Amino acid sequence: ELKVEQNPLFLSMQEGKNYTIYCNYSTTSDRLYWYRQDPGKSLESLFVLLSNGAVKQEGRLMASLDTKARLSTLHITAAVHDLSATYFCAVDIKNYGGSQGNLIFGKGTKLSVKP
Amino acid sequence: NAGVTQTPKFQVLKTGQSMTLQCAQDMNHNSMYWYRQDPGMGLRLIYYSASEGTTDKGEVPNGYNVSRLNKREFSLRLESAAPSQTSVYFCASSEGRTTWQQPQHFGDGTRLSIL
Repeated sequence: ELKVEQNPLFLSMQEGKNYTIYCNYSTTSDRLYWYRQDPGKSLESLFVLLSNGAVKQEGRLMASLDTKARLSTLHITAAVHDLSATYFCAVDIKNYGGSQGNLIFGKGTKLSVKP
Repeated sequence: NAGVTQTPKFQVLKTGQSMTLQCAQDMNHNSMYWYRQDPGMGLRLIYYSASEGTTDKGEVPNGYNVSRLNKREFSLRLESAAPSQTSVYFCASSEGRTTWQQPQHFGDGTRLSIL
């Protein structure tokens, strides 16, 4: 069974602190996506990671991909309240016979950044 | 730039009623997707259309049908709604041929309650 597991599922941080969200997946894939969702809103694309060792950074967020370990991380640096949201990773399962672009999502990490 | 537009945004149905959720994209994308999101869960793929004229089942297709009306529009139909189909439904689109290089773009969602 194909699984995408995120941890932690809930994260309460103080402003200014650093933390990492982990995304483990059970299939062979070199395509992983991170999305952000604000309460009651749609999903916004954050990062597209397309190869082993890929690293992308945007502001206080940095994402990386290790395809050999089947692990992606989303690192938060010096958190601010505006980063409060739910973060999802999603894995493309084309290599498992899925059609191009079929994604398996993790359950999401609900991040709350407090002053 | 409208992107992906879903209608309606909210709907309440009674068990056994039918309805169609509409989705349209103006990005000239080839591929379109329907997901459902339940509390504490990631998104799960219901159906997808890799290109105009084709549709395929995703992870949770039971109780749903879809129609790819043209390149822009992809509708999701509930023939006989059940309380288990209470969820938030998201439509998404992606370029298709090189879809893995770009993230999927999501609509704002339809919040559906079935009593």
